[in-house]
Amino acid sequence: IVMTQSPATLSVSPGERATISCRATQSLSTFLAWYQQKPGQAPRLLIYDTSTRATGVPARFTGSASGTDFTLTISSLQSEDFAIYYCQRYDNWPLVYTFGQGTKLEIK
Amino acid sequence: EVQLLESGGGLVQPGGSLRLSCAASGFTFNSYAMSWVRQAPGKGLEWVSTISGSGSNTYYGDSVKGHFTISRDNSNNTLYLQMNSLRVEDTAVYYCASQRALYYFDYWGRGTLVTVSS
Repeated sequence: IVMTQSPATLSVSPGERATISCRATQSLSTFLAWYQQKPGQAPRLLIYDTSTRATGVPARFTGSASGTDFTLTISSLQSEDFAIYYCQRYDNWPLVYTFGQGTKLEIK
Repeated sequence: EVQLLESGGGLVQPGGSLRLSCAASGFTFNSYAMSWVRQAPGKGLEWVSTISGSGSNTYYGDSVKGHFTISRDNSNNTLYLQMNSLRVEDTAVYYCASQRALYYFDYWGRGTLVTVSS
């Protein structure tokens, strides 16, 4: 199974909405997570199990799915949201974790 | 507060070895699976290896299978990654990450840089 994340770069103005997609080549479970990474920092878990926000993550971050398409939506972008975002899927047989290629969210 | 602190990175020649450590605190270490995830310079994230809470089960990505070994010391709350036969393509920042559930990585350390070069 391959995960294709798009777009590679997304330019959005503060206050607007950003949508990042991750598509699987085969149907998978709901075990998909999203991470945010700022320059020089470790990744931070945002969303797990497709749509559950991690502790302390603002409500403007929403995860959803439709079939093999997974989406991270950030409503009303704040300055601190400009970063790189990765999706990550989990397969349990064999146990493998795969990250998407990443989406750089930049200020327009 | 969960804290993960990696150490042991550095410059090593191709074919050399290195052992990374990750000191954990702020949670019940032996109840969590732990993993290593790496990031080559300017590149994305790549899963390296995972170990169960007891240490009895280990898993590896295809690119490191056979030359990296993950282990843990639950009495000292420490995770390890023994890296042998290092290759230039193993150059990356190595992060340790905790896993309350196997599906995702909930806390990450700051990482330690491994550079493989002659």
